[in-house]
Amino acid sequence: ETGVTQTPRHLVMGMTNKKSLKCEQHLGHNAMYWYKQSAKKPLELMFVYSLEERVENNSVPSRFSPECPNSSHLFLHLHTLQPEDSALYLCASSQVGGSRGGEQFFGPGTRLTVL
Amino acid sequence: KNEVEQSPQNLTAQEGEFITINCSYSVGISALHWLQQHPGGGIVSLFMLSSGKKKHGRLIATINIQEKHSSLHITASHPRDSAVYICAVGPTDKLIFGTGTRLQVFP
Repeated sequence: ETGVTQTPRHLVMGMTNKKSLKCEQHLGHNAMYWYKQSAKKPLELMFVYSLEERVENNSVPSRFSPECPNSSHLFLHLHTLQPEDSALYLCASSQVGGSRGGEQFFGPGTRLTVL
Repeated sequence: KNEVEQSPQNLTAQEGEFITINCSYSVGISALHWLQQHPGGGIVSLFMLSSGKKKHGRLIATINIQEKHSSLHITASHPRDSAVYICAVGPTDKLIFGTGTRLQVFP
């Protein structure tokens, strides 16, 4: 596998379910990101793990919980979601600092539908 | 008013035409990114620039820091260029995104 991978690619869940999205990067980067993309809206940054430190985003509801066990893996745990949480969830990684710093590499996304 | 504005929102072109997409921003930035999103969702980074001009194949990106404006040009457009083009600004770990420009190139 190369680049940034995400599983599952599609997910349908009820409001009472608990599920997790998984992201893995094979690029040796030191920062990983979760983004939400809703129809007709710009990409919204949800969470960042940079240099193994989590950057909080106070506007994200607590029903979304990130986990970054190491620099290559990132999870987004979902519980008691609402229909308005239906969106495309994108993971990305980048190198922070150094001469290669900045460019983000995106995964293919997970299309989430909450019923 | 969004911190990152793109124009136009939608753009159609005939194959071979020269295309320009604009991005204006109101915040201080360390770099500006141009991204391409194809149907199905995958996003590819096209350029990251903080000054001047960059070229990759038929794509050219320019930025004017004083005017807080960037343009993405596509020369000799092709139907495979059909996608949403997104401008984003800021430090890498705090990017702010525009809403995107949807481009359709017809044969």
